[in-house]
Amino acid sequence: QSALTQPPSASGSPGQSVTISCTGTSNDVGGYDFVSWYQQHPGKAPKLLIYEVNKRPSGVPDRFSGSKSGNTASLTVSGLQADDEADFYCSSYAGRSGVRYVFGTGTKVTVL
Amino acid sequence: EVQLVQSGAEMKKPGESLMISCKGSGYTFTSYWIGWLRQRPGKGLEWMGIIHPGDPETRYNPSFEGQVTMSVDKSISTAYLQWNSLKASDTAIYYCARHASARSFDYWGQGTLVTVSS
Repeated sequence: QSALTQPPSASGSPGQSVTISCTGTSNDVGGYDFVSWYQQHPGKAPKLLIYEVNKRPSGVPDRFSGSKSGNTASLTVSGLQADDEADFYCSSYAGRSGVRYVFGTGTKVTVL
Repeated sequence: EVQLVQSGAEMKKPGESLMISCKGSGYTFTSYWIGWLRQRPGKGLEWMGIIHPGDPETRYNPSFEGQVTMSVDKSISTAYLQWNSLKASDTAIYYCARHASARSFDYWGQGTLVTVSS
């Protein structure tokens, strides 16, 4: 099972939006509605932002939204803020045997 | 408040053994699977496996099966990750995380840095 493909970097000015893609296969992203997104600030543990493609845990601002089409999932960060500068990882459930969870290669978001 | 608190950083030599821990609090420890994830320096996250504290059943990533052992002591709400013979390539930050029913990891430990060097 290969890692999901994300762009290495993305950037935007404060107030703008940035969208990060996450491409997998029909065995993971395309096969299940269990895509999640995590934000990781330098030196910190990842934090869950989105689960089940487009749901937000309590406390996560609605500036963060998720979607999926076919084998590609996307995370959009609207109204960029300085604190959004971080690494973002997608993850997908991949079935009941073998590698059950695959993660993306990660995207560094820079707020200009 | 849900918390997962991991043991401190470790520095080991190749061939040595190691066990790191992850103590859960603020929720019913035996009701949620615990996952272990690896992050090598400057790299992304890798899923190593999950363990159910109540049973305990385990599910390993085939890449890690036989290389590490997951265990729990539910009497003290603590999960463990163990190596019998460390390699330099095991140098990484290891995270434990609570596995939610939504197939995601909703609460994470602070991470344990394991450095293996001669």
